[in-house]
Amino acid sequence: KNEVEQSPQNLTAQEGEFITINCSYSVGISALHWLQQHPGGGIVSLFMLSSGKKKHGRLIATINIQEKHSSLHITASHPRDSAVYICAVSPGSQGNLIFGKGTKLSVKP
Amino acid sequence: DSGVTQTPKHLITATGQRVTLRCSPRSGDLSVYWYQQSLDQGLQFLIQYYNGEERAKGNILERFSAQQFPDLHSELNLSSLELGDSALYFCASSVEWTSAYNEQFFGPGTRLTVL
Repeated sequence: KNEVEQSPQNLTAQEGEFITINCSYSVGISALHWLQQHPGGGIVSLFMLSSGKKKHGRLIATINIQEKHSSLHITASHPRDSAVYICAVSPGSQGNLIFGKGTKLSVKP
Repeated sequence: DSGVTQTPKHLITATGQRVTLRCSPRSGDLSVYWYQQSLDQGLQFLIQYYNGEERAKGNILERFSAQQFPDLHSELNLSSLELGDSALYFCASSVEWTSAYNEQFFGPGTRLTVL
């Protein structure tokens, strides 16, 4: 079993829909990261959080430390949101990341 | 633009060969991480350096090695290359080496193809 599990693996949405991507982890962590990878391959950090909730524009990330679960929400989705969204955790006191397999999101106009 | 640079962007080579991938971290960042992204394994941590010293090792093969130089740039050396080493190799940098509020900034990656 992977230490970081994401669901769904693939997601197709219509423009304007509210989207949720889930992440569960089984190790102790000091932080959880949400990353975005575009078709060109580049990776961008969207959020880093250790508790509660963060919001940036149309993106919202939440984490429940007790349940070892995080969600990434996209409100009013747009075709430019199409990308792979990757959940990653910083285990314990180490600096490296453990990654989920990613969720491929396609938003249709 | 994250401020992390990686060269080359693409690399095509043959089995058995040796290649060197280069990474320059963001100005002020002391920690460099190397990650491999393959189709079957996804993203995996290889190795981390902080201010010239190795800090953590992940799933790095013995055929692979890395170092961080005094100017903080890092090189990942891959030798005796196999077809299965074909992947995207990312470098990331951060200010600190521990995970506490340690945002990582990713370079654009080097796509290695082994024929």
